[in-house]
Amino acid sequence: DTGVSQNPRHKITKRGQNVTFRCDPISEHNRLYWYRQTLGQGPEFLTYFQNEAQLEKSRLLSDRFSAERPKGSFSTLEIQRTEQGDSAMYLCASSPARADGQTQYFGPGTRLLVL
Amino acid sequence: GQNIDQPTEMTATEGAIVQINCTYQTSGFNGLFWYQQHAGEAPTFLSYNVLDGLEEKGRFSSFLSRSKGYSYLLLKELQMKDSASYLCAVRRDAGKSTFGDGTTLTVKP
Repeated sequence: DTGVSQNPRHKITKRGQNVTFRCDPISEHNRLYWYRQTLGQGPEFLTYFQNEAQLEKSRLLSDRFSAERPKGSFSTLEIQRTEQGDSAMYLCASSPARADGQTQYFGPGTRLLVL
Repeated sequence: GQNIDQPTEMTATEGAIVQINCTYQTSGFNGLFWYQQHAGEAPTFLSYNVLDGLEEKGRFSSFLSRSKGYSYLLLKELQMKDSASYLCAVRRDAGKSTFGDGTTLTVKP
């Protein structure tokens, strides 16, 4: 399978704990995006990388959230001191960095439940 | 900022045609996308419009009018498997895309 993969698919944690999610984009895609989606709403943009550079970060991304893409391939999203409001589906998407490479391809998501 | 509006729910009959509208107000525009999302799954790409007009792809077509800030997704010959949420998304630049909250389509026999 050469699509976007995300791990874990599900995560249950207690309030106050730290969690880390991983995203492996389609191999030839330079751009990588993180979104958060709650029930009944569309995905909300969190952050975006081109290669290893984090080019944009939403105001939704509080200081408890950090994302990295150290070698320009896979990316990690860490949430520190989780809160119940962090419960959501975290989606990763990738796209190629060329003029016609506008389409973002989504991974299956990581569903987080904070108890 | 960016504001995207689409109906919350729609119902249609198997074999029929349905049109899902999307209006947007954005501070920049670099394309409009439609995605399909089944419950509990990730969005999958359906169509992309950057110029005015109609883009046709099998049973699905998407229309864009940039001057009106308006798009629609047209689904023909509806099948039960088309029951899903349909998301309209506007890309401002190479990075951020803003999504609407989706239209939940229910196809009935």
